[in-house]
Amino acid sequence: AAGVIQSPRHLIKEKRETATLKCYPIPRHDTVYWYQQGPGQDPQFLISFYEKMQSDKGSIPDRFSAQQFSDYHSELNMSSLELGDSALYFCASSPGTSGPLAKNIQYFGAGTRLSVL
Amino acid sequence: AKTTQPISMDSYEGQEVNITCSHNNIATNDYITWYQQFPSQGPRFIIQGYKTKVTNEVASLFIPADRKSSTLSLPRVSLSDTAVYYCLVGDSGVADGLTFGKGTHLIIQP
Repeated sequence: AAGVIQSPRHLIKEKRETATLKCYPIPRHDTVYWYQQGPGQDPQFLISFYEKMQSDKGSIPDRFSAQQFSDYHSELNMSSLELGDSALYFCASSPGTSGPLAKNIQYFGAGTRLSVL
Repeated sequence: AKTTQPISMDSYEGQEVNITCSHNNIATNDYITWYQQFPSQGPRFIIQGYKTKVTNEVASLFIPADRKSSTLSLPRVSLSDTAVYYCLVGDSGVADGLTFGKGTHLIIQP
């Protein structure tokens, strides 16, 4: 079965540079979520989109922005990168209201490992 | 709701492993959901329940009548079950982010 696709899998950037992470949700999933997981940390929710509109917001820095496009893929844009932004970034998707009634089960991608030097 | 799980657990291949999660402040509309995460991989949904017992091909989830705790049961574990297991309790609506607390590091030995 198709899963959530994230690209790139690995990314190396310098401080103060920008980075763009991409996420392609499972087909027919209309909701996308972004999470950040630092070394030895638990995943932290950043932001979500439902039907191309921002829905929920977590601990996303002002330097980060995201959007969901008409084909439901999403991009996380990160500017003025800092050393502390080095982490695994996961995208997840869910069927939203079009899926089963199970409470918000999310399907995660393999992640993008961002290293800021 | 705030959850409390053991930080780590050890077991052996072929054994049944039970991981208990405490959630004393669970609300009426809250569901209990468990995710599994392998190193450097995204969390993977295991099982979800509201009350009593739920079973799927991977695990069972036992929820007592007061719902203040829940137990994830993994039958006949193997080395590949070594992972972090997260218990999430909440009434997540469409597009709500998940709140991951401190999970349980399960280590399976041969």
